[in-house]
Amino acid sequence: EADIYQTPRYLVIGTGKKITLECSQTMGHDKMYWYQQDPGMELHLIHYSYGVNSTEKGDLSSESTVSRIRTEHFPLTLESARPSHTSQYLCASSDRVSNQPQHFGDGTRLSIL
Amino acid sequence: KQEVTQIPAALSVPEGENLVLNCSFTDSAIYNLQWFRQDPGKGLTSLLLIQSSQREQTSGRLNASLDKSSGRSTLYIAASQPGDSATYLCAAPNSGNTPLVFGKGTRLSVIA
Repeated sequence: EADIYQTPRYLVIGTGKKITLECSQTMGHDKMYWYQQDPGMELHLIHYSYGVNSTEKGDLSSESTVSRIRTEHFPLTLESARPSHTSQYLCASSDRVSNQPQHFGDGTRLSIL
Repeated sequence: KQEVTQIPAALSVPEGENLVLNCSFTDSAIYNLQWFRQDPGKGLTSLLLIQSSQREQTSGRLNASLDKSSGRSTLYIAASQPGDSATYLCAAPNSGNTPLVFGKGTRLSVIA
């Protein structure tokens, strides 16, 4: 069982609100990732980090931002939520030499009204 | 840019059948390839990781093969069970040792 946690699991909120999606892992992994997944569609990488104070944008352009102040914590923030941000957001981590995700959280399903 | 395609999009089989899920990728110079399982409302579980130097990997009833020259990978599931019902995702790096590009998945239903 992977020790990677995402909160909240579900969030329904109005347009214009600031949102932070939390992701924490207790495995001491250096590498962490955020993916966005629409229903029935593929995952798209939006942000990743290979260590503290290191963040990179992924393949899919996103209006969200991330921070990596502590190894175990990789929050994702939307400054002003819009209906187009409605999606599922999945966090992952890895300690592999390869830069690919290994353990995934259960996701946050976000709905912007 | 790596593109990953999976067919079929959905598959329904009776319990006990052996089945094959297909994955194709456009950049044959892949670093590795992974197969994941996703249950409804859940995250992904890594099933098998094949390095570029390998031809196949096995875990229990699962066997994944990799043919870089043809840009294809297959996931073979032996003696399928209702508990195997899930979406199976194939993923490969965009280039070299970089984060993964995912296919849309194959939604598998195993009927008891």
